Amino acid sequence: AQSVSQHNHHVILSEAASLELGCNYSYGGTVNLFWYVQYPGQHLQLLLKYFSGDPLVKGIKGFEAEFIKSKFSFNLRKPSVQWSDTAEYFCAVNDPGGYNKLIFGAGTRLAVHP
Amino acid sequence: DTEVTQTPKHLVMGMTNKKSLKCEQHMGHRAMYWYKQKAKKPPELMFVYSYEKLSINESVPSRFSPECPNSSLLNLHLHALQPEDSALYLCASSQVGRTSTDTQYFGPGTRLTVL
Repeated sequence: AQSVSQHNHHVILSEAASLELGCNYSYGGTVNLFWYVQYPGQHLQLLLKYFSGDPLVKGIKGFEAEFIKSKFSFNLRKPSVQWSDTAEYFCAVNDPGGYNKLIFGAGTRLAVHP
Repeated sequence: DTEVTQTPKHLVMGMTNKKSLKCEQHMGHRAMYWYKQKAKKPPELMFVYSYEKLSINESVPSRFSPECPNSSLLNLHLHALQPEDSALYLCASSQVGRTSTDTQYFGPGTRLTVL
C-alpha cells in the first residue's frame, strides 16, 4: 500500500530563514502529489500539486516543490519564511488504485518566530 | 474562501444521541469525501461518493452512516458513538473522483466531542 513519510515533525525557524520540508512516498509508478497547509484554526488549503510535466512546481504564497522521481521525493521549499507561515504542512499522494483516495503524511508543524 | 461549507462547526453529543453532520459545495463537483482527523494527526479517509454513489468505505464502523442526497450535499449520520470518535470531521469535494488527477478541496470541519 502507498505510504507517505514526512521526516520533520516540528520545525522552528526565524523570519527570513529558508525552509525545506521533506516528503517521501513509497509507490514506484505514476503518482500525483500534493502539499496542503492547515493554519491554526483554519481548514486545509491546497498549496501546490504535481501531476506531470515540469518537476518544479510553484504554488501559492511563494512556496514551491520539486518532484524527484529517482528519490521518491516531493520536498516543499520557501526561500524566506514569514511569521504568517506558522502552520501544519501535510504532504499527500493519490492512491493509484483509483477513486482519488488521498494518503497523507504525518504532517510537519512549522513555527516561525519574528 | 473555501467553497465547501460544513455545519455545525462544533458538536457535543452523548453516546446515546443521534446527530448529523452536513456538508455542501457549490463548485459543481461530482465527488465528495468524509475524513476524520484526530488531534495532531493527518486526515484519514472514511468515505468517498462519486456521482452520488458510495465508492469507498474504509471499513468505517456502522455507527457512522453517510448519505449523499444530491451532488451538492453530503451528510454523515452519527449514532451510538464512542468517546474515541471525538475528532475533527472534514468534508472535501473534487470534480470527478474517479481519476487520481482530481484535486480535493476541503471544508473547515466539524469538531465533534462525544461524552
